[in-house]
Amino acid sequence: DTGVSQDPRHKITKRGQNVTFRCDPISEHNRLYWYRQTLGQGPEFLTYFQNEAQLEKSRLLSDRFSAERPKGSFSTLEIQRTEQGDSAMYLCASSLTGLNEKLFFGSGTQLSVL
Amino acid sequence: DQQVKQNSPSLSVQEGRISILNCDYTNSMFDYFLWYKKYPAEGPTFLISISSIKDKNEDGRFTVFLNKSAKHLSLHIVPSQPGDSAVYFCAAKEKNDMRFGAGTRLTVKP
Repeated sequence: DTGVSQDPRHKITKRGQNVTFRCDPISEHNRLYWYRQTLGQGPEFLTYFQNEAQLEKSRLLSDRFSAERPKGSFSTLEIQRTEQGDSAMYLCASSLTGLNEKLFFGSGTQLSVL
Repeated sequence: DQQVKQNSPSLSVQEGRISILNCDYTNSMFDYFLWYKKYPAEGPTFLISISSIKDKNEDGRFTVFLNKSAKHLSLHIVPSQPGDSAVYFCAAKEKNDMRFGAGTRLTVKP
């Protein structure tokens, strides 16, 4: 069990640029979640997948954000035309349906938009 | 809309004493409650959970209490150890929607 891995760990970008983050969940987990966390706050739900299907999206997920999980394994989160308000820690988590609802989190990608 | 609230941003406790972390929620439809612990530069890790049909769950030094009528959840750590120093997040789930509180930073002093 290698855990949930996220890449990159840190990303610094200029306002207006596009960024893409990757998440590799625990291999047997069928659910994958994206959360965003800002300083002094808890994680905020963005979206989740069951296998390759994106089943739910938060209203926080503006049209500049898009997430995919093409083969039901790894996932990518893309932010287009980044804004300074997008600066946050982006956390990925995975779970197995019925496993006490526990989420297993990765270490996150810290995004800084200058 | 902050449906899960942790009103104490920080808590300091002496080693060996009890740590009590509190959490309040507003949504009566939450059916599962969890506590996560987070160290710097790491993602949150699951600590303990409780179903809405129970009022207590214990795992070693950690006990979670649920008071549904008061919509209140608490985590007790006894005895507290310096390695318990971390940020603790309360989370509540309704179907596939999990909401987190803002966290409480626990410091356990030797």
